[in-house]
Amino acid sequence: GAVVSQHPSWVICKSGTSVKIECRSLDFQATTMFWYRQFPKQSLMLMATSNEGSKATYEQGVEKDKFLINHASLTLSTLTVTSAHPEDSSFYICSASYQGGYGYTFGSGTRLTVV
Amino acid sequence: SQKIEQNSEALNIQEGKTATLTCNYTNYSPAYLQWYRQDPGRGPVFLLLIRENEKEKRKERLKVTFDTTLKQSLFHITASQPADSATYLCALAGGGNKLTFGTGTQLKVEL
Repeated sequence: GAVVSQHPSWVICKSGTSVKIECRSLDFQATTMFWYRQFPKQSLMLMATSNEGSKATYEQGVEKDKFLINHASLTLSTLTVTSAHPEDSSFYICSASYQGGYGYTFGSGTRLTVV
Repeated sequence: SQKIEQNSEALNIQEGKTATLTCNYTNYSPAYLQWYRQDPGRGPVFLLLIRENEKEKRKERLKVTFDTTLKQSLFHITASQPADSATYLCALAGGGNKLTFGTGTQLKVEL
């Protein structure tokens, strides 16, 4: 139980274009989802927290206009990287909390390469 | 500022031995601490959660200890196998149920 499906697993896009990453909770309702970014050999850095039906809360230093987060339903959150640049190339991972916040389940991640 | 530190150097051990990984934190008063496994190119997978009032937790070959006085958690894998090779992350939950991760320790179990 408590599975999160993340798509796509990898994407290559041209500089200046936008990319959307989807995160779905398959067998539970995810009131809160989290988006992380991970650079090679570094840990996961929280980018934003998304709550169903409300605006996302972004961590300090994360551009909300560049990383658009939508959490329109209890099972789907999306992250759109707008006007992507090579420095946005990274591994993006979503997560959802369950069991009153004690449990966290993670997507398999999306490798974004901007060329 | 809040910090979670794990040994950034890779840990190489021989198959069958016990691997011990360390997680130290500062400026946190966590209600619980979690350990995750991450394989290359994959998202983290939850392993164990230990609460502040628990000193030790076990799950099969895994054991976690939590010392809130030392602000430290130890993660042990007994009878290690090559399949245990991965990066292991500790994580603490802060306000809003946000998880903050340590830097991770890469474990390599050799034949």
